[in-house]
Amino acid sequence: KNEVEQSPQNLTAQEGEFITINCSYSVGISALHWLQQHPGGGIVSLFMLSSGKKKHGRLIATINIQEKHSSLHITASHPRDSAVYICAVQKTSYDKVIFGPGTSLSVIP
Amino acid sequence: EPEVTQTPSHQVTQMGQEVILRCVPISNHLYFYWYRQILGQKVEFLVSFYNNEISEKSEIFDDQFSVERPDGSNFTLKIRSTKLEDSAMYFCASLYTFGSGTRLTVV
Repeated sequence: KNEVEQSPQNLTAQEGEFITINCSYSVGISALHWLQQHPGGGIVSLFMLSSGKKKHGRLIATINIQEKHSSLHITASHPRDSAVYICAVQKTSYDKVIFGPGTSLSVIP
Repeated sequence: EPEVTQTPSHQVTQMGQEVILRCVPISNHLYFYWYRQILGQKVEFLVSFYNNEISEKSEIFDDQFSVERPDGSNFTLKIRSTKLEDSAMYFCASLYTFGSGTRLTVV
């Protein structure tokens, strides 16, 4: 069983739409990461969360530790947001990162 | 912002050849990792390295793989005898800062 699950697997949105990507995990964690991967492959860190909520520009990430669930929201989506968004967790502070399968987002003008 | 640098960005090699993938992690970091991503699949952990030793390795990291920190700055992943199924994107990380990856194609 995968320790990190994401939904949806694929998402197509119109420019300007509000987008939510969900992540659930089955292990105890010290941190949860939201990452972005563009075609061409590089991985960029968007957020690291251990509790609550973080906001950066149009991106908002929340986590509910009790429910083992996190969400990534994108407000006023734009075609440049098109990418794969990956949820990943660490069990302890210096542990390896365990990756989810990713959500492929396409924002259409 | 500190960066992890990987070279080369793309390497093509013949099956059976040895390859060395190079990484310059963030200075003063002590924990380093290699991950790989086969095309269309999720990123998988290969090995973690702390205090100049392997601290954990996955079942993927068999005897054909090795890691080294030869000069105190570079961090390398060697694949001794490449197979077609080693074709993947390989990422180096300093803790949870990732390099841009090396795309390895085995032909």
